[in-house]
Amino acid sequence: DIQLTQSPSFLSASVGDRVTVTCRASQDMSNHLVWHQQKPGEAPKVLIYAASTLQSGVPSRFSGSGSGTEFTLTISSLQPEDFATYYCQQSNSYPITFGQGTRLEIK
Amino acid sequence: EVQLMESGGGLIQSGESLRLSCAASGFTFSSHAMIWVRQAPGKGLEWVSTITASGDGTFYADSVKGRFTISRDNSKNTLYLQMNSLRAEDTAIYYCPRGRGNNNYVDYWGQGTLVTVSS
Repeated sequence: DIQLTQSPSFLSASVGDRVTVTCRASQDMSNHLVWHQQKPGEAPKVLIYAASTLQSGVPSRFSGSGSGTEFTLTISSLQPEDFATYYCQQSNSYPITFGQGTRLEIK
Repeated sequence: EVQLMESGGGLIQSGESLRLSCAASGFTFSSHAMIWVRQAPGKGLEWVSTITASGDGTFYADSVKGRFTISRDNSKNTLYLQMNSLRAEDTAIYYCPRGRGNNNYVDYWGQGTLVTVSS
């Protein structure tokens, strides 16, 4: 099974900050990574798939990069609506696995 | 507009069975793999099962293998999850995201349905 480890697990930042979340995989998974955003009480929403492709309708301040075993999600300038929990997820092989989540809170 | 509407959740006793449904609209259902993902209260996301677009391939997490069965009816644009021998640890919100592409990337999520298993 591919294990995904996100860092940090918790992040405190201010509106306007640039933030980066890292997702490390236990084995090579090419670019088969998806980033999801989840706000409290809501269903998750896809931000990025195939490691770096922005989902339709997602603001361009979100970007993804990486391949193999290390991936990053970057928010270039935090907006109030971006405070949420972020999950990475691999679709390279079964079982599909998720990272443990990164909770982004307002400083 | 892609819409995924889960239903069938509720409060149930340990050991009993429940069937969840996911009604899809706004896209060609028979062209997409479909997935079940769950989230226990206050916890992260856990993949449960995937079914191929045609229904001829199914995959399960070890935690539900032998107890849960995923199926679909492409004529009704509906996905199902039959859950048997339910346990307290199956308590979660169950989502039915859509898969796309060769690697079945999740691209849309439904709103979820809550299953509570009482011991």
